[in-house]
Amino acid sequence: DIQMTQSPSSLSASVGDRVTITCRASQSIANYLNWYQQKSGKAPKLLIYSTSNLQSGVPSRFSGSGSGTDFTLTISSLQPEDFATYYCQQTHRTPRTFGPGTKVDLK
Amino acid sequence: EVQLVESGGGLVQPGGSLRLSCATSEFTFDKHWMSWVRQAPGKGLVWVAEISGDGSVTHYVDSVKGRFTISRDNAKNSLYLQMNNVRGEDTASYYCARHGDWSFDVWGQGTLVTVSS
Repeated sequence: DIQMTQSPSSLSASVGDRVTITCRASQSIANYLNWYQQKSGKAPKLLIYSTSNLQSGVPSRFSGSGSGTDFTLTISSLQPEDFATYYCQQTHRTPRTFGPGTKVDLK
Repeated sequence: EVQLVESGGGLVQPGGSLRLSCATSEFTFDKHWMSWVRQAPGKGLVWVAEISGDGSVTHYVDSVKGRFTISRDNAKNSLYLQMNNVRGEDTASYYCARHGDWSFDVWGQGTLVTVSS
């Protein structure tokens, strides 16, 4: 199975900050890497698919990059509605594993 | 608006069975692979199973193989998860999700399954 790790596991930031979350796969997953946002008590929401493609309706302050085993989600200017947990997911192979999540909260 | 609505969750005893359903609307259901993803209370997301658009191909996470069965009824635009011989570690919210561009682009609101005696 492909293992996914994320760093940091949590971070505290202020509105307007630039935030970067890293995701690493245990083997190459090409560009089959997705990012989801989950707010407390809600279903996950797709933000970025295939490493760098912004899902329709997602603000342009979200961006993704990377390839192979190392990937990054960047929020260019954190907004109040962005405080949530973020998960990466690989869809290169089954099982379609998720990372453990990164919780972004208010500093 | 594309919608996925799960149902069927509840309290079940260890060793018991439960069938989850996911009713879908406003998209061509049989064109999409579908998955079930679960989340234990306070924990992360775990992919459980997926099924092809015509139902002929299925994949499962090892921890549910032989106990859970994913299926679909394309005439009813519905997805199912039959859960047999459930264990305490199956306690979770279960989400159905539509496959998009190599991603899960639409999610339901989830249904909670609690395994306890």
